[in-house]
Amino acid sequence: DAKTTQPTSMDCAEGRAANLPCNHSTISGNEYVYWYRQIHSQGPQYIIHGLKNNETNEMASLIITEDRKSSTLILPHATLRDTAVYYCIVRVMEYGNKLVFGAGTILRVKS
Amino acid sequence: DTGVSQDPRHKITKRGQNVTFRCDPISEHNRLYWYRQTLGQGPEFLTYFQNEAQLEKSRLLSDRFSAERPKGSFSTLEIQRTEQGDSAMYLCASSLRTQTGPPHRGDEQFFGPGTRLTVL
Repeated sequence: DAKTTQPTSMDCAEGRAANLPCNHSTISGNEYVYWYRQIHSQGPQYIIHGLKNNETNEMASLIITEDRKSSTLILPHATLRDTAVYYCIVRVMEYGNKLVFGAGTILRVKS
Repeated sequence: DTGVSQDPRHKITKRGQNVTFRCDPISEHNRLYWYRQTLGQGPEFLTYFQNEAQLEKSRLLSDRFSAERPKGSFSTLEIQRTEQGDSAMYLCASSLRTQTGPPHRGDEQFFGPGTRLTVL
């Protein structure tokens, strides 16, 4: 699986959009971009995934650049409950479906 | 609650003792995973099962570790002769993979709350 690079931490004001970047410059054509988050003392939680098109669900939007070398997770209206570690993961779906986590980005939403 | 459950939530043991953790996945899920997470790091994959078959084991899973999923439902993770370096959060996840082709949201992994192991 391709490696990802994320900022160590970010701050965001409550009610504002949180934009979390991820670099995956070595991504292969058959690899998907996944985002999970982990709130303190809980297991990770799936947020969204995509291949090359932008995706949106009730939690977030995922913007993938045309060359697929980077992506941005957008939480449109961050709340205090969105404070968590956000993990960007790149993986080939057929390889046993395991997740390879990096250190992630600590997002602190402040009032 | 129909989510993934793990038992116990916390375990304190002395070095050299054996410990066993249990994971109950979401009932219809055919895949079950074990991960380990140390402080400040993301979870690390240990092993996974499809039904009762253990299909992949990480190099992190030393000979002291053994995992089973005897009837394709719950799973146990046993650590023999625990060492202080085994202190970590042990996470279980489950998913349902019913078809080949592009992944969809239904393939996502659902994680349990974890078992925190402290080896003194």
